Amino acid sequence: DTGVSQNPRHKITKRGQNVTFRCDPISEHNRLYWYRQTLGQGPEFLTYFQNEAQLEKSRLLSDRFSAERPKGSFSTLEIQRTEQGDSAMYLCASSSTPGTGGFYGYTFGSGTRLTVV
Amino acid sequence: KNEVEQSPQNLTAQEGEFITINCSYSVGISALHWLQQHPGGGIVSLFMLSSGKKKHGRLIATINIQEKHSSLHITASHPRDSAVYICAVGSNYQLIWGAGTKLIIKP
Repeated sequence: DTGVSQNPRHKITKRGQNVTFRCDPISEHNRLYWYRQTLGQGPEFLTYFQNEAQLEKSRLLSDRFSAERPKGSFSTLEIQRTEQGDSAMYLCASSSTPGTGGFYGYTFGSGTRLTVV
Repeated sequence: KNEVEQSPQNLTAQEGEFITINCSYSVGISALHWLQQHPGGGIVSLFMLSSGKKKHGRLIATINIQEKHSSLHITASHPRDSAVYICAVGSNYQLIWGAGTKLIIKP
């Protein structure tokens, strides 16, 4: 297991198009998180899953955003009818249930950089 | 007032210097994380702390739960340590992020 993998690394799309990102977490981790980071800002929480259940969803996540983790393994984040304001780095992280996890509580992917033109 | 405050915001030092970055928080936490982000790069988790002190190579992290304060120290700093260091506190399901400290180590 080489860590959290995100695909694609970069995505350029035209305004109004739909995009989908994928995150493959560390296999032993039961929690998966999505964050969004805009230039010069810290990451903002979007949503998280424990196994296949989506347990929390930020108010930042409008109706155009949907996330799934159908088998409790990989997750997808879809943005419909993209807007220029959606341009950001989308980060995925995974962890064990808090209180376990050893040296690294969270492991982050390298992110998917979305540019909406 | 932000729930997680980091200082300094920017730090420039010479290679070899001892570096300290501070983090104060105002919320109840389950754990505190120190993370590193290189320009244009992903985020690397350095430490997760709930008490005491941890050491990994040239990095040392301490936390004082009563004072709600944590510090990240870098000994014998090197230009490759140049990055943004972020303090984030964990509640049940999410991290609350500090604004980050941009560290530049000059050779």
